[in-house]
Amino acid sequence: EAGVTQSPTHLIKTRGQQATLRCSPISGHTSVYWYQQALGLGLQFLLWYDEGEERNRGNFPPRFSGRQFPNYSSELNVNALELEDSALYLCASSSGTSGFDEQFFGPGTRLTVL
Amino acid sequence: AQSVAQPEDQVNVAEGNPLTVKCTYSVSGNPYLFWYVQYPNRGLQFLLKYITGDNLVKGSYGFEAEFNKSQTSFHLKKPSALVSDSALYFCAVRDIQTGANNLFFGTGTRLTVIP
Repeated sequence: EAGVTQSPTHLIKTRGQQATLRCSPISGHTSVYWYQQALGLGLQFLLWYDEGEERNRGNFPPRFSGRQFPNYSSELNVNALELEDSALYLCASSSGTSGFDEQFFGPGTRLTVL
Repeated sequence: AQSVAQPEDQVNVAEGNPLTVKCTYSVSGNPYLFWYVQYPNRGLQFLLKYITGDNLVKGSYGFEAEFNKSQTSFHLKKPSALVSDSALYFCAVRDIQTGANNLFFGTGTRLTVIP
């Protein structure tokens, strides 16, 4: 069974540009989560999507947005990039909304903002 | 509000010795607790979770964790450390009361097992 996949692996942008990150969940998983792992800050929750709807949002500005497609894959968009957006962005998926299912993580997209 | 504390940024242990990685949490309701491990340039791998029931939870690769409600702790343990256990370990909590499924993570503890 294929795991969570993310693309691209690395992304280099300049300040003010937009970045688009993509995630494909494990087959059968309907929930997708996005986390930001910045150096020294651990993992910060960004967004949770389930069945195409945004279910919860972390404490990030509106320039962080995303969506979930009918096939449950997801996209994270970051507009007006700032230097501090440089981080590893991790996507995770889980099989439902029960709350006790573990999340399975992808390898991440390393975003560098110059 | 939910939070997780991993008080040690770095833990060093000799190969073959027992290891403990500490985690304390704060939630308004009952917690679901998780441990994940991250190897260099990789995503997170699930180790174990506590949902309810027995306070001692066994997980992957010989790891276990003990849920202590009175101390609000969920320390990760292994009886005999291997060099291959060297990695970054994250404790995470989900607050059932909020109805939200996202996890709150600690800042991580880097475990180094010395041969």
